[in-house]
Amino acid sequence: NAGVTQTPKFQVLKTGQSMTLQCAQDMNHEYMSWYRQDPGMGLRLIHYSVGAGITDQGEVPNGYNVSRSTTEDFPLRLLSAAPSQTSVYFCASSYVYRGDLADTQYFGPGTRLTVL
Amino acid sequence: GIQVEQSPPDLILQEGANSTLRCNFSDSVNNLQWFHQNPWGQLINLFYIPSGTKQNGRLSATTVATERYSLLYISSSQTTDSGVYFCAVGTYNFNKFYFGSGTKLNVKP
Repeated sequence: NAGVTQTPKFQVLKTGQSMTLQCAQDMNHEYMSWYRQDPGMGLRLIHYSVGAGITDQGEVPNGYNVSRSTTEDFPLRLLSAAPSQTSVYFCASSYVYRGDLADTQYFGPGTRLTVL
Repeated sequence: GIQVEQSPPDLILQEGANSTLRCNFSDSVNNLQWFHQNPWGQLINLFYIPSGTKQNGRLSATTVATERYSLLYISSSQTTDSGVYFCAVGTYNFNKFYFGSGTKLNVKP
């Protein structure tokens, strides 16, 4: 199993550009999520999904869109990049049991994004 | 959202020493996890522990849900234990997770 994979590993954007961060998992997990980590801080939840076709907002959703068309993939779209979105982005996945997370989350390696 | 506080924020240990990291949270939770972020930025899950005690080698964790705290014990620390330790909590029916700011551990040889 590859676990949770993220592409690209690094990305530099100019202000106003758009892009999509890719996330895929091969563990058949229902729950997937996106976090951002700013220097010296913990992770903050951007968006999450409890299954294909179902997404919801986390703590810091502004400026980001998500969709979940398959169990395996959960892309994160930056609509119009801003310097405040410079951060490291992590994708994670987990099992769901009776509507709640029933296990730990498994994290991808992260994408380091710089917006100039 | 839930407030998650971790202490201490920084910890320097000599190799072989023991340590206790604490995580306090402000509301009832049904999910609590401990992670280690190594110096290369990789997040590694250590424990899924919404309540009770678990052990894995030199690491163990205890969560007292009724008193809203969890403890991570590291015994006989090694330089490879260096990094940042995060506690994350989740609530019933909302599936949102909240991370603490972490404890940065530096184990010196």
